Amino acid sequence: RKEVEQDPGPFNVPEGATVAFNCTYSNSASQSFFWYRQDCRKEPKLLMSVYSSGNEDGRFTAQLNRASQYISLLIRDSKLSDSATYLCVVDSGGYQKVTFGTGTKLQVIP
Amino acid sequence: DAGVIQSPRHEVTEMGQEVTLRCKPISGHNSLFWYRQTMMRGLELLIYFNNNVPIDDSGMPEDRFSAKMPNASFSTLKIQPSEPRDSAVYFCASSLEGEGYGYTFGSGTRLTVV
Repeated sequence: RKEVEQDPGPFNVPEGATVAFNCTYSNSASQSFFWYRQDCRKEPKLLMSVYSSGNEDGRFTAQLNRASQYISLLIRDSKLSDSATYLCVVDSGGYQKVTFGTGTKLQVIP
Repeated sequence: DAGVIQSPRHEVTEMGQEVTLRCKPISGHNSLFWYRQTMMRGLELLIYFNNNVPIDDSGMPEDRFSAKMPNASFSTLKIQPSEPRDSAVYFCASSLEGEGYGYTFGSGTRLTVV
């Protein structure tokens, strides 16, 4: 089983739609979780951290379910500019070390 | 701040040649990471340094790969000899201890070995 697993997509959604991605992780000792965004042929950029209580940043909501070992990202009112690959990131238990998922591709359609 | 600076942006080389990738982390960041990204395997951690000391190089694929960090503002990743299967985008990232895992990535080096 991979340390971090994501549905590669693509998710093709119309503008204004709500879309959700899930990501499962295998290391029950993991404590830190993140979502990164990567545009085509660009570097990954931190989108948001995922806290135990869940957190929201504008149209983006992240949730953590420790019992089932998954995190989720919800995007409301999708914009064309949200089109990108979303990477799930989980700490690997080592010092400052994380594992990246292979990403979920989102395409928002006009 | 100029961010994490990598060079070159693109590198095309022939199989068997030596390739050196360079990275300048953000000033003040004390952790540096080298990643490789391919379509098949996604982002893979090759090696990371903390305070210029290699902490974990278990991701380095084989002896053909080596990395150094002679000072806090510079790191290199060297492949010798290069092979076509090394073709990938190589990212360098840096972070500051105590600020969690908020990595800042460089723009990457797109390596093609022919």
